[in-house]
Amino acid sequence: GAVVSQHPSWVICKSGTSVKIECRSLDFQATTMFWYRQFPKQSLMLMATSNEGSKATYEQGVEKDKFLINHASLTLSTLTVTSAHPEDSSFYICSAREATGGNRGYTFGSGTRLTVV
Amino acid sequence: AQSVTQLDSHVSVSEGTPVLLRCNYSSSYSPSLFWYVQHPNKGLQLLLKYTSAATLVKGINGFEAEFKKSETSFHLTKPSAHMSDAAEYFCVVDPFGNEKLTFGTGTRLTIIP
Repeated sequence: GAVVSQHPSWVICKSGTSVKIECRSLDFQATTMFWYRQFPKQSLMLMATSNEGSKATYEQGVEKDKFLINHASLTLSTLTVTSAHPEDSSFYICSAREATGGNRGYTFGSGTRLTVV
Repeated sequence: AQSVTQLDSHVSVSEGTPVLLRCNYSSSYSPSLFWYVQHPNKGLQLLLKYTSAATLVKGINGFEAEFKKSETSFHLTKPSAHMSDAAEYFCVVDPFGNEKLTFGTGTRLTIIP
């Protein structure tokens, strides 16, 4: 089945530093990947839609200069949290849909727990 | 516009008894609907999906859901709960032609031994 690998699974960083999270589709190509943020005991909120070879589309209220998204290939999207602050601490999850429009639904990564100290 | 309402934030059932997690949706289009499960500190795993084919959808681990257009519902059921079913469940709608998934607020399922 479709597999999305997200790395790292957890990271602790100091305030002011940047953190990069990778999302890879392992056995399919994804022209579009999605980045979500999940606060404790809450649902997922879409942050941005990542399109291969073009700029990401950010949801209202999401700072594009803080959350940099790069989708350099059909199998890799990255989210970089720049100048991280404690309020950026959260669980970040990516998802991908097969480029051929397959009927698999959306495959999610296993998530990254970011703690900013 | 589309939305998803999960009617129960928390459901507790005894092991071996049926599970019912309720979901209502609203959508301007013929939607695709999904149920995902999330175990603590993990990503989401697809349980099942409805994409305008059979209205009764069978998923993994014995779960199934029935799409009822007249009631705008997509409730998730399982005949007999297992301890490993304890997790958070999300009902999700994908409106036709729009890849922006809308998530319900989630239902936490607790299994009582």
